[in-house]
Amino acid sequence: EDQVTQSPEALRLQEGESSSLNCSYTVSGLRGLFWYRQDPGKGPEFLFTLYSAGEEKEKERLKATLTKKESFLHITAPKPEDSATYLCAASILTGGGNKLTFGTGTQLKVEL
Amino acid sequence: ETGVTQSPTHLIKTRGQQVTLRCSSQSGHNTVSWYQQALGQGPQFIFQYYREEENGRGNFPPRFSGLQFPNYSSELNVNALELDDSALYLCASSLAVGQPRNEQFFGPGTRLTVL
Repeated sequence: EDQVTQSPEALRLQEGESSSLNCSYTVSGLRGLFWYRQDPGKGPEFLFTLYSAGEEKEKERLKATLTKKESFLHITAPKPEDSATYLCAASILTGGGNKLTFGTGTQLKVEL
Repeated sequence: ETGVTQSPTHLIKTRGQQVTLRCSSQSGHNTVSWYQQALGQGPQFIFQYYREEENGRGNFPPRFSGLQFPNYSSELNVNALELDDSALYLCASSLAVGQPRNEQFFGPGTRLTVL
């Protein structure tokens, strides 16, 4: 069965304190690993897609990396506005299209 | 460029009723997927529509059904509502079905409460 697991479930950081979020996956036929940011009561906001092991992508204070079994979202010198839930999802072939299988997310709180 | 829009924003129904949720895809996107997100959980895939046909389905009962229209907008219908159907319903659009590189972009969601 396809499975995506995120850790930790929750993370509290001080402003400027860098850290990493983990996403491990066990899926058949990975067609991409997605990272989203979700604010309370809102839809997920697309951050990155990674397609092959060794790939890295960056956006402001965020950097995503991918291996054959897991992905990391590194947050460098976070600010309070980075507080949100970060979701990762594996894109998997279903029928003729792709579906996203999500983890349960990491709830990040950045404090002053 | 217009993003994904959903309506209504919030909805309250009672058990046994039926509900229709609507989604307009992002400009230029021809594929729509629907997800259910319970509180504290990640979104769960319901189904995907491409060229007005269902193109993949998750583990949801037949009382969850959908439509896609020629302009690529979509509806999600849920019959015989149950309390456990209370959730945030998300619509996502993407450029092309079955393509390796097809990021899915989400709308703001519809919050459904079943009493």
